[in-house]
Amino acid sequence: AAGVIQSPRHLIKEKRETATLKCYPIPRHDTVYWYQQGPGQDPQFLISFYEKMQSDKGSIPDRFSAQQFSDYHSELNMSSLELGDSALYFCASSLRLAKNIQYFGAGTRLSVL
Amino acid sequence: SQQGEEDPQALSIQEGENATMNCSYKTSINNLQWYRQNSGRGLVHLILIRSNEREKHSGRLRVTLDTSKKSSSLLITASRAADTASYFCATADNYGQNFVFGPGTRLSVLP
Repeated sequence: AAGVIQSPRHLIKEKRETATLKCYPIPRHDTVYWYQQGPGQDPQFLISFYEKMQSDKGSIPDRFSAQQFSDYHSELNMSSLELGDSALYFCASSLRLAKNIQYFGAGTRLSVL
Repeated sequence: SQQGEEDPQALSIQEGENATMNCSYKTSINNLQWYRQNSGRGLVHLILIRSNEREKHSGRLRVTLDTSKKSSSLLITASRAADTASYFCATADNYGQNFVFGPGTRLSVLP
């Protein structure tokens, strides 16, 4: 069965650069979530989208923005990268009616040098 | 904000033994879920238990929920080396949103 696809899997950037992470949800899933997991930390919820509208907002820095497109894929845009942004970024998707169960992608590992 | 907290943070057991991990949270929830994460990889959903349920089974997994104590436990029976991973509990608030993960328990199953 198709799963949540994230790209790229690995990304290396330098301080003050920008990065864009992409997430392709499971087909027919209408809700996308973004999480950040620092080294040895638990995943922290950043933001979610339902039907292309922001649904919920967590601890997403102002330097980050995200959107969901008409095909339900989502992009997380990160600007003015800082060393502390180095983390594993997960995307998850769910069906709005079954939003309790989120299916996670393999994540994008971002390293900021 | 509510937060799941796992206990213990790290656990080492021998293959064949049972592993028990606990999770506590602070506010009322709609459900609690357990996830597994292999080192540096994605999170895999294991089991969901709703706030009106007390126990749930799935294969070698057994989850309990005590809403009066705001705690849950995950029991893995007859553990295998392949069970080595980090296990996280996550809670969803009464609206089924606000998904909050606890710090995770690193389980090592030694052959």
